[in-house]
Amino acid sequence: KNQVEQSPQSLIILEGKNCTLQCNYTVSPFSNLRWYKQDTGRGPVSLTIMTFSENTKSNGRYTATLDADTKQSSLHITASQLSDSASYICVVSAGETSYDKVIFGPGTSLSVIP
Amino acid sequence: DADVTQTPRNRITKTGKRIMLECSQTKGHDRMYWYRQDPGLGLRLIYYSFDVKDINKGEISDGYSVSRQAQAKFSLSLESAIPNQTALYFCATRRGWGNQPQHFGDGTRLSIL
Repeated sequence: KNQVEQSPQSLIILEGKNCTLQCNYTVSPFSNLRWYKQDTGRGPVSLTIMTFSENTKSNGRYTATLDADTKQSSLHITASQLSDSASYICVVSAGETSYDKVIFGPGTSLSVIP
Repeated sequence: DADVTQTPRNRITKTGKRIMLECSQTKGHDRMYWYRQDPGLGLRLIYYSFDVKDINKGEISDGYSVSRQAQAKFSLSLESAIPNQTALYFCATRRGWGNQPQHFGDGTRLSIL
């Protein structure tokens, strides 16, 4: 069964600290993995995409990693800011067919406090 | 102005009522989607459309129907709403080629009493 799991479910950190969010997936055949940020009351917004051949990709203070062998990804946030408070959703796309098989993880809720 | 606009943003209604949620986009994307989001669960696909003449069921289509009135408009209907359809509903669009991301509206919070 295609599945995406995320940990932790929620996280509270102090402003300025770093944190790492985890994503494990059992999706086959793997196409790509994307991290979205969802602010409260808003729709998800794409942060970064990882394809099979990519190990690391950065977008400002966000760095995503992918280990296709162990089917794990992480999102590292450096020097957190209050505006980083949001839900972070790991999304894995399967296959190369015309059908958009996209599996969403449940998200990690991050709270950054002063 | 938002690229993907959902209306209404909030709706409270009673069991048995017919509800229509609307989505319009200015991105020019051909693919449009409807999802629901429940606490502790990932977004789940209700319906998707690759163009005006193409409608496909997602994983949880029972109790829902859709209409693609134009490339820019995709509406979701609950013919006879029930309480377990209380959720946050999102519309998304995507360009139909390459590893393009989905672009989401800001959601409709639907409560069915």
